Amino acid sequence: AQTVTQSQPEMSVQEAETVTLSCTYDTSESDYYLFWYKQPPSRQMILVIRQEAYKQQNATENRFSVNFQKAAKSFSLKISDSQLGDAAMYFCASTGGGADGLTFGKGTHLIIQP
Amino acid sequence: NAGVTQTPKFQVLKTGQSMTLQCAQDMNHNSMYWYRQDPGMGLRLIYYSASEGTTDKGEVPNGYNVSRLNKREFSLRLESAAPSQTSVYFCASSLDRRDEKLFFGSGTQLSVL
Repeated sequence: AQTVTQSQPEMSVQEAETVTLSCTYDTSESDYYLFWYKQPPSRQMILVIRQEAYKQQNATENRFSVNFQKAAKSFSLKISDSQLGDAAMYFCASTGGGADGLTFGKGTHLIIQP
Repeated sequence: NAGVTQTPKFQVLKTGQSMTLQCAQDMNHNSMYWYRQDPGMGLRLIYYSASEGTTDKGEVPNGYNVSRLNKREFSLRLESAAPSQTSVYFCASSLDRRDEKLFFGSGTQLSVL
């Protein structure tokens, strides 16, 4: 079965600093997509960034970027210039599990210290 | 600009009661999904519908049924609720099964006593 592993249940960072959230995945597919979703206390799931596995270039969205290491099956999220509004649960997710839809990791709770 | 709309937002049931969670999307998406979120477990797929008229089981389908009423609507039914079904339920949609960028509803907090 498809698995997505987030090894950091909780991370803390000072406001304006940079933080990296880790994610590894396990898929036998050659064509797949990887995602990071943010879930603030409002409970809404918000797409942060999306990476297509066949693209070698790492995706970026403003202060958010990924380090995609296909051979290592690693997909980390870097948040630069952290802001108080970045405090949330962050979920890594992957396609390629046989069924449609995404397989999610268990999440990382990100705390921003003012 | 509604996106994915779920109702209700909160519900309390007694063990053995039944209920249906409603979901509708206005983005003309073909694929729709139901997930449940439990503390420390991430989101797990219950059922999905790749297109109108089709439904398939996900990772945790036991105790649930679904109906893809039309292209817009995808409902989740609990026939006989159990305390283990206490969870937050999310409906999501995507353009099609090849584009897995999911758009989520705001979730339903369900408690089964």
